[in-house]
Amino acid sequence: DAGITQSPRHKVTETGTPVTLRCHQTENHRYMYWYRQDPGHGLRLIHYSYGVKDTDKGEVSDGYSVSRSKTEDFLLTLESATSSQTSVYFCAISEQGSGELFFGEGSRLTVL
Amino acid sequence: KQEVTQIPAALSVPEGENLVLNCSFTDSAIYNLQWFRQDPGKGLTSLLLIQSSQREQTSGRLNASLDKSSGRSTLYIAASQPGDSATYLCAVTGTASKLTFGTGTRLQVTL
Repeated sequence: DAGITQSPRHKVTETGTPVTLRCHQTENHRYMYWYRQDPGHGLRLIHYSYGVKDTDKGEVSDGYSVSRSKTEDFLLTLESATSSQTSVYFCAISEQGSGELFFGEGSRLTVL
Repeated sequence: KQEVTQIPAALSVPEGENLVLNCSFTDSAIYNLQWFRQDPGKGLTSLLLIQSSQREQTSGRLNASLDKSSGRSTLYIAASQPGDSATYLCAVTGTASKLTFGTGTRLQVTL
């Protein structure tokens, strides 16, 4: 299994509070991604990174920001959580932009 | 905009049966196609990756085919087992390395 660790795995928070999810990899892969998975919508890309300090938006980036200060860590921040951001968040990595994708176990976030 | 469809949404088969899962996509300009399985409450596990220049890939009891011109891929599972019960997703990588996922087929293999 690819060495991808997400934390926290479960979080309950209140509307308006900031939340940060962390993805840590031990594979030294260049590309890292944040997806959210919701019933009826499947997996949707939030943000991705193609190197340290190099990030770009995905299809559902509003309300989210990311940072990558080290190859192994990719952080997803919800500045002010809303109930519509209740979801399961997955981190994924790949060696190349169009390469095989490996996923973490997911972080379940509930915003009350 | 690329759209990926997986039909059926759910499938139940008895143990030992061979089965085929379908994936179709609207834009044939793809770099590759991946099949994943997802167990409840877990992340996605990569099963097979087919490059656009390939016709099929095999891993154990799994065989995936790709017909880029018709926008179709199939995942063949031989001699199904209860442990194969999971949701199977396909995803295509298109222009600008953008990955588009289907919504999956939920498979149940019964004893």
